[in-house]
Amino acid sequence: KNEVEQSPQNLTAQEGEFITINCSYSVGISALHWLQQHPGGGIVSLFMLSSGKKKHGRLIATINIQEKHSSLHITASHPRDSAVYICAVETTSGTYKYIFGTGTRLKVLA
Amino acid sequence: SQTIHQWPATLVQPVGSPLSLECTVEGTSNPNLYWYRQAAGRGLQLLFYSVGIGQISSEVPQNLSASRPQDRQFILSSKKLLLSDSGFYLCAWRSAYNSPLHFGNGTRLTVT
Repeated sequence: KNEVEQSPQNLTAQEGEFITINCSYSVGISALHWLQQHPGGGIVSLFMLSSGKKKHGRLIATINIQEKHSSLHITASHPRDSAVYICAVETTSGTYKYIFGTGTRLKVLA
Repeated sequence: SQTIHQWPATLVQPVGSPLSLECTVEGTSNPNLYWYRQAAGRGLQLLFYSVGIGQISSEVPQNLSASRPQDRQFILSSKKLLLSDSGFYLCAWRSAYNSPLHFGNGTRLTVT
């Protein structure tokens, strides 16, 4: 079992739909990151969370430390949101390494 | 502001040829630097990370090496490429533990 699990692996939505991507982890963490990988390959950091909730535009990220779970929500989805969304954690062991989820491939149809 | 430059964007190299990919970061000092590889349809695999000049930690004992000759310069090298070295190589940096991770645009390497 991977230490960081994402669901779903693939997701197709219609433009305007509310989207939720989930990330569960089994290790102690100091921070959780949500990344977006565009079709061309470039990766952008969306959020870094250690507690609570963060919002940026139509994107909302939440984390529940007790349940070891985080969600990324996209409101009013748009075709330009089509990308792979990756969850990554920094562990409390204080190393320089990240543990990455395998990603959720999102396709938003016009 | 901080920026990261990675080049080249694409590279086609024959088996057995050498490799040098370069990454530089601007606007920060003493960054933690990373090289990742992503095979087609797969997740990110950590190859090397560096916390300072001349300090390199290796995660994969293959025919790749990394060097950090200057504070904000990170180089990925190989003396002889293998077919299995094909993939998408990403450089990344962060300023400290528990800070955002920033990626370069990546190099798509095809070994033929």
